[in-house]
Amino acid sequence: GPKVLQIPSHQIIDMGQMVTLNCDPVSNHLYFYWYKQILGQQMEFLVNFYNGKVMEKSKLFKDQFSVERPDGSYFTLKIQPTALEDSAVYFCASSLGERLFFGHGTKLSVL
Amino acid sequence: SQWGEENLQALSIQEGEDVTMNCSYKTYTTVVQWYRQKSGKGPALIILIRSNEREKRSGRLRATLDTSSQSSSLSITGTLATDTAVYFCATFSGSWQLIFGSGTQLTVMP
Repeated sequence: GPKVLQIPSHQIIDMGQMVTLNCDPVSNHLYFYWYKQILGQQMEFLVNFYNGKVMEKSKLFKDQFSVERPDGSYFTLKIQPTALEDSAVYFCASSLGERLFFGHGTKLSVL
Repeated sequence: SQWGEENLQALSIQEGEDVTMNCSYKTYTTVVQWYRQKSGKGPALIILIRSNEREKRSGRLRATLDTSSQSSSLSITGTLATDTAVYFCATFSGSWQLIFGSGTQLTVMP
């Protein structure tokens, strides 16, 4: 089936550094999402993105977070600066409608 | 949160047994989705049920939706070891904000 690719699978950085998580969504999809999951627990919505703009974001989507998809390339989540509590697995998803397709996640470790 | 009773649970059963997982939601919804997440992977949609359907079947899966009690269930018959995963229910809040419940960790022992 359709695949969402996330690069890298694991990223280790020092607190205060900037990190960019990359997502290659399904080619004809229009809606893009980022979720945060800690220790295999609940999937927590961060943000959704459509037509070049953020549509909705949760309280977890702090001011240090930003998303973009320049010219139909990767859909990225940037965190600048990172904090210890940003350590988690971040999942990207894309969709045309109700059904979301998820990548395998990027595990972010902030030291 | 728009989810009620679905705290992260852990269920451990033997292969071949049937299992039912439940979730309840607080806000109005017209569709409930069930996702399965295997270890090290992202969630994948396994069944979707709408408010005009009381029951939906797909292979060994059966989902129910009771809008009057605002609850949904997912049953798996004749479980296999490969059914071991975390199962989430999810529904949309707002425009396209898919919100997940806490999930059920199902372990099926061979």
